[in-house]
Amino acid sequence: DSGVTQTPKHLITATGQRVTLRCSPRSGDLSVYWYQQSLDQGLQFLIQYYNGEERAKGNILERFSAQQFPDLHSELNLSSLELGDSALYFCASSVTGSDTGELFFGEGSRLTVL
Amino acid sequence: GEDVEQSLFLSVREGDSSVINCTYTDSSSTYLYWYKQEPGAGLQLLTYIFSNMDMKQDQRLTVLLNKKDKHLSLRIADTQTGDSAIYFCAERSGGADGLTFGKGTHLIIQP
Repeated sequence: DSGVTQTPKHLITATGQRVTLRCSPRSGDLSVYWYQQSLDQGLQFLIQYYNGEERAKGNILERFSAQQFPDLHSELNLSSLELGDSALYFCASSVTGSDTGELFFGEGSRLTVL
Repeated sequence: GEDVEQSLFLSVREGDSSVINCTYTDSSSTYLYWYKQEPGAGLQLLTYIFSNMDMKQDQRLTVLLNKKDKHLSLRIADTQTGDSAIYFCAERSGGADGLTFGKGTHLIIQP
C-alpha cells in the first residue's frame, strides 16, 4: 500500500460526458502528479501540483483540467469525453524535499468511454 | 525533448536471469529509476540509481548505468513467476520534479 488513494477504481461513461477523478496523496506529501496510461502511448505525464499551485504541465488536453485543494487532495476533470480518452489514470505523490524524487503511485482509476 | 526508450517485451525461462534495457536522451538526468507494475496495480519503485554511480545491487536486482551511452539496465537474477510484470524505466532531469517514463517492458516468465 503506497498511501496514495484514488477513486473511483473503475468508471464507465459515454462519449461527450464529463467525469472527475479524485486523489488523496500520502500524508505530508505536498506534490501531486497525474499520469495517463494507455496501450499505445505508455505512461504520459499530464500535470503536477505543489501545495495547491500548478507546478508543471505535460501532455494534458484542453478538455482536461485539474486542481489541488487546501487539504492537498487533487481532482482531475475530464470533459467532452472521447473514445480515445479510455485509459488508466494514475495519481502519484512525492516526498517534499526529497533528493531522490521518488514518486508513490495510487492504484489508478480505469476509465472506459463507450 | 526528453525521451526514454525500452523494448516492449522480454521472455525468459524461470530460474534464468532477466536483463531489461533502457536508453534515455536527457544528459542532465540526475536519478534513474526502475518501477514495477503488477496486473491491476499501480507502479511501485523497485530501485533507483544516482547518475554518478555505475552500478547498484540490491538482493536479486542489479542496476547498471552507462552514462556516456545513456543506457540503463536492470538485471533480475533467478527470475521467478512472481517477477512477471511490466517494468518501467524513468528518469528525473536536474531541476525538474516529475519523472519521464518509458513505455514499459512486459516481462514474461516461461516455466
